[in-house]
Amino acid sequence: QITLKESGPTLVKPTQTLTLTCTFSGFSLSTSGLGVGWIRQPPGKALEWLALIYWDDDKRYNSSLKSRLTITKDTSKNQVVLTMTNMDPVDTATYYCARKVFCGSTRCFGSGGFDYWGQGTLVAVSS
Amino acid sequence: DIQMTQSPSTLSASVGDRVTITCRASQSISNWLAWYQQKPGKAPKLLIYKASTLESGVPSRFSGSASGTEFTLTISSLQPGDFATYYCQQYSNYYTFGQGTKLEIK
Repeated sequence: QITLKESGPTLVKPTQTLTLTCTFSGFSLSTSGLGVGWIRQPPGKALEWLALIYWDDDKRYNSSLKSRLTITKDTSKNQVVLTMTNMDPVDTATYYCARKVFCGSTRCFGSGGFDYWGQGTLVAVSS
Repeated sequence: DIQMTQSPSTLSASVGDRVTITCRASQSISNWLAWYQQKPGKAPKLLIYKASTLESGVPSRFSGSASGTEFTLTISSLQPGDFATYYCQQYSNYYTFGQGTKLEIK
């Protein structure tokens, strides 16, 4: 059974750094083709992809937020950590982590979509 | 960056109706497109990947198709549990979601 769960603060102040942890089970990030990404959703708004890390430590970032984001993995702990600096009230959102299986034109390990998601964690940014 | 534009933003329909949601990419993404269903307060659920392949366990009334940079999600006969918000997402060049289509009861 594959599960993912996000953890971190529910409230941060403007200019602070947010650190979120995704703890997962049922798969390993040492397995070829697997990745874990972060997606957020402001209240009442659309999904926005933030960052993703693959089994081979390939890291990808949303270009509009790249300067503020860092994603890392701890394979032994089955965790992926996202840090976002200089938080602003517009960053108030539910933050999800999700598993992704790599699929591209040269090689494909599965669907390519985000196939398993955590329940999400709501982070508010306010002074 | 690749932009994904969904239409309509809101769709009103009745149980038993056939509905179609469209997603247009700003450039070619081949068939690297997924569709998700999201219900209020819940995480999204993967429905379709590679534009037309049904994820395991997804009912066959859901289908996807592609024509150039235009992609469609069709629900052949709406069931009560299908009223939700639907998102497309490209994975040709990094990852971009559409703005969502809310499917509501007429």
